[in-house]
Amino acid sequence: QVQLQESGPGLVKPSGTLSLTCAVSGGSISSSNWWSWVRQPPGRGLEWIGEIYHTGNTNYDPSLESRVTISIDKSKNQFSLRLSSVTAADTAVYYCARAHTPLNSISLLDYWGQGTLVTVSS
Amino acid sequence: QSVLTQPPSVSGAPGQTVTISCTGSSSNIGADYDVHWYQHLPGTAPKLLIYANNNRPSGVPDRFSGSKSGNSASLAITGLQAEDEADYYCQSYDSSLSLVYVFGTGTRVTVL
Repeated sequence: QVQLQESGPGLVKPSGTLSLTCAVSGGSISSSNWWSWVRQPPGRGLEWIGEIYHTGNTNYDPSLESRVTISIDKSKNQFSLRLSSVTAADTAVYYCARAHTPLNSISLLDYWGQGTLVTVSS
Repeated sequence: QSVLTQPPSVSGAPGQTVTISCTGSSSNIGADYDVHWYQHLPGTAPKLLIYANNNRPSGVPDRFSGSKSGNSASLAITGLQAEDEADYYCQSYDSSLSLVYVFGTGTRVTVL
């Protein structure tokens, strides 16, 4: 059973950089899966941020692309999120998730972490 | 704002059936892209509920079912139970956006 666990600071100052790590257990991060970050601002719905493959290939939400970097550390079986120049609008619960693409279908997220709240405030 | 629109809330008494709609357009659901559904209890990890329009992952009760037609998809919960009280999200792909994942606006199901 694949498990994902987010970790990182729960409080980030405005204009600073948000940094989170997702540790993967029960499976290899070098498998044929993409690995995603999703967030949920307070009182709002789910928002996809971006994803990475073990080769280092990435895809990002265009609206965040200038501020987002997702990286992978195969030796530690984990991947990370960096979001720069944060504002209060980046306050959210951040989730990491594993992607799977069923045959003849579009990608879905089949395993998720529990999420971690990041608050942007001085 | 998401390109997939869901009703903010639906409610029903235990045992009843509720249906959640997910309305898109010709660049997503109407373009024949599949729809997946997730159940999300606040404070927990979202859970995949239905994949590829009408398929249930192992362990998901058959009280949950999905369908798709035209520009819309639906999730039905029959025999509503108290434990079904949660937020539900549809997810698809949109060819006009450079987004791998597009989520619906979300629907809160309340069991009366």
